[in-house]
Amino acid sequence: EIVLTQSPGTLSLSPGERATLSCRASQSINSRYLAWYQQKIGQAPRLLIYGESSRANGIPDRFSVSGSGTDFTLTISRLEPEDFAMYYCQQYGGSPWTFGQGTKVEIK
Amino acid sequence: QVQLVQSGAEVEKPGSSVKVSCGASGGTFSSYSISWVRQAPGQGLEWMGGIIPIFGTASYAQKFQGRVTFTADESTSTAYMELSSLRSEDTALYYCARHPGWDNAFDIWGQGTMVTVSS
Repeated sequence: EIVLTQSPGTLSLSPGERATLSCRASQSINSRYLAWYQQKIGQAPRLLIYGESSRANGIPDRFSVSGSGTDFTLTISRLEPEDFAMYYCQQYGGSPWTFGQGTKVEIK
Repeated sequence: QVQLVQSGAEVEKPGSSVKVSCGASGGTFSSYSISWVRQAPGQGLEWMGGIIPIFGTASYAQKFQGRVTFTADESTSTAYMELSSLRSEDTALYYCARHPGWDNAFDIWGQGTMVTVSS
């Protein structure tokens, strides 16, 4: 099983700041099979970015990804109030598909 | 825009089974697959497996193998997840999610169905 470890557990930032979220895999994965989701309290997860760098419908370009092999990063260039939420990475290249444990982005 | 609409909350006793439905509103499953993901209270996301409705083929995460069954009715664009031998650790919010083909990201999610296992 591919284990995804996200860091930090919690990121305390102010609106307008840059957020950098890490997702590390226990073995190398093809970035084509990596996705990031946002989840707000009481809501289902929402797809943000998938594949090598494709944004889902309606996702603004302040969200971007980078990385390869075992280390991947989600960057939010300038935090908007609606961006404060939980973020999960997911790999769907090796069964079972797995999620990271999440990074909470909270208002400082 | 297709929405996935799930059945309502369930309360079940340990040892029993639960069946959750997931219907496509405003469209069909077409060439999409449906996966099931659960989230225990205050915890992260866990993939249980999925089904390709047009073929009826299912894949199960080993953790749930033998205890979960996925089915789909193409004529009504409804998918089902049945989990048996319930235990308290199965108390969670169960989501269905759509993905194109098979190995793709989950682009549309249901609203979730809360399953509580309690004696």
